[in-house]
Amino acid sequence: GQQLNQNPQSMFIQEGEDVSMNCTSSSIFNTWLWYKQDPGEGPVLLIALYKAGELTSNGRLTAQFGITRKDSFLNISASIPSDVGIYFCAGQSQVGAQKLVFGQGTRLTINP
Amino acid sequence: GAVVSQHPSRVICKSGTSVKIECRSLDFQATTMFWYRQFPKQSLMLMATSNEGSKATYEQGVEKDKFLINHASLTLSTLTVTSAHPEDSSFYICSANIQGDGELFFGEGSRLTVL
Repeated sequence: GQQLNQNPQSMFIQEGEDVSMNCTSSSIFNTWLWYKQDPGEGPVLLIALYKAGELTSNGRLTAQFGITRKDSFLNISASIPSDVGIYFCAGQSQVGAQKLVFGQGTRLTINP
Repeated sequence: GAVVSQHPSRVICKSGTSVKIECRSLDFQATTMFWYRQFPKQSLMLMATSNEGSKATYEQGVEKDKFLINHASLTLSTLTVTSAHPEDSSFYICSANIQGDGELFFGEGSRLTVL
């Protein structure tokens, strides 16, 4: 089945640093979604991408839908303590389809 | 914005008992809801697709007789873990989207512990 490869699996950074993570797929996706999950909570949608090449921002977060439609990137600028958590990419292979394939997650830890 | 709510958030039960988890869409109608399971430090794994008014569609390897799903209305889907065993202990999360919208919203999750 379809799989998403998310990297890195974990990150340890200093407060104020920028963060980059990415997801790659062996097959094409038509929608990319980025979620953040805090411990004991459900994932919260951060950014949704619907078009190849699309670059979308949400505050300090910026995500891009790769031109090949096989990858996506999430960047966090000037990290703050509340950015700690697990970030998941998710993809949908068909437009309007609701079934999501998730990446393995990137666990972000911030040292004050 | 759209809100998906789960209940209970935590449940502890004895082995052999059944547990029901509810998933509600609070301000929109959801013809389709999804149930995921997440083990510690792992990603979300789709268990089944819950379809309002019809049978759920289960992913490969998920026992439909063990994980009973009912989607009786456009705002409620339930997952019943029957004859629970300790290996069923996990974080169960539901999701739904506004019809025609690709963005999926997740519930808060329900942590099941089977003793």
